[in-house]
Amino acid sequence: GEDVEQSLFLSVREGDSSVINCTYTDSSSTYLYWYKQEPGAGLQLLTYIFSNMDMKQDQRLTVLLNKKDKHLSLRIADTQTGDSAIYFCAEKTHAGNMLTFGGGTRLMVKP
Amino acid sequence: DAGVTQSPTHLIKTRGQQVTLRCSPKSGHDTVSWYQQALGQGPQFIFQYYEEEERQRGNFPDRFSGHQFPNYSSELNVNALLLGDSALYLCASSFTDNTGELFFGEGSRLTVL
Repeated sequence: GEDVEQSLFLSVREGDSSVINCTYTDSSSTYLYWYKQEPGAGLQLLTYIFSNMDMKQDQRLTVLLNKKDKHLSLRIADTQTGDSAIYFCAEKTHAGNMLTFGGGTRLMVKP
Repeated sequence: DAGVTQSPTHLIKTRGQQVTLRCSPKSGHDTVSWYQQALGQGPQFIFQYYEEEERQRGNFPDRFSGHQFPNYSSELNVNALLLGDSALYLCASSFTDNTGELFFGEGSRLTVL
């Protein structure tokens, strides 16, 4: 079955790097996503990676995918207070067009 | 270019009532999906519409139904509301050719009293 797991909470200091981790179970994943959600808001697409890639970089964001371990990570360089939010990883599989989400990681950035 | 738009943003209903939520996809997108996000949890897939047909459905009862119009906009209907239906309802739009892009709206927050 499909299951996506994330740690609940991460606290970093402003200017440091943040690394948010995610594990998934479905080996037929086609795309893996990172979304950001601020209080009371919808989901903002940060980045996504196709399953045949190992890494994707987009400005301050770096996504690493380890298919063997079914592990996905999001690194935010030079973390700012505006990065404080909940971050969700999600997978899309060959079996359908739905996304399966993790429970979210709350990132707190201290000044 | 407007992104995914949803209405209403907030609404309050009582148990047993019915609700309709609306979604306009991002320009050029032809596929609309609906998700339910309970407080403190990740979104859960309800169903997806393409070419005015329900293409895939998650583990939700028949009280949840939908519709897609020729202009690709969509509605989510929930009948016989329960307290547990209180949640943020999110609409997502994408291309059917599976390029990977999937954008969400700001959601409709439903409170059932």
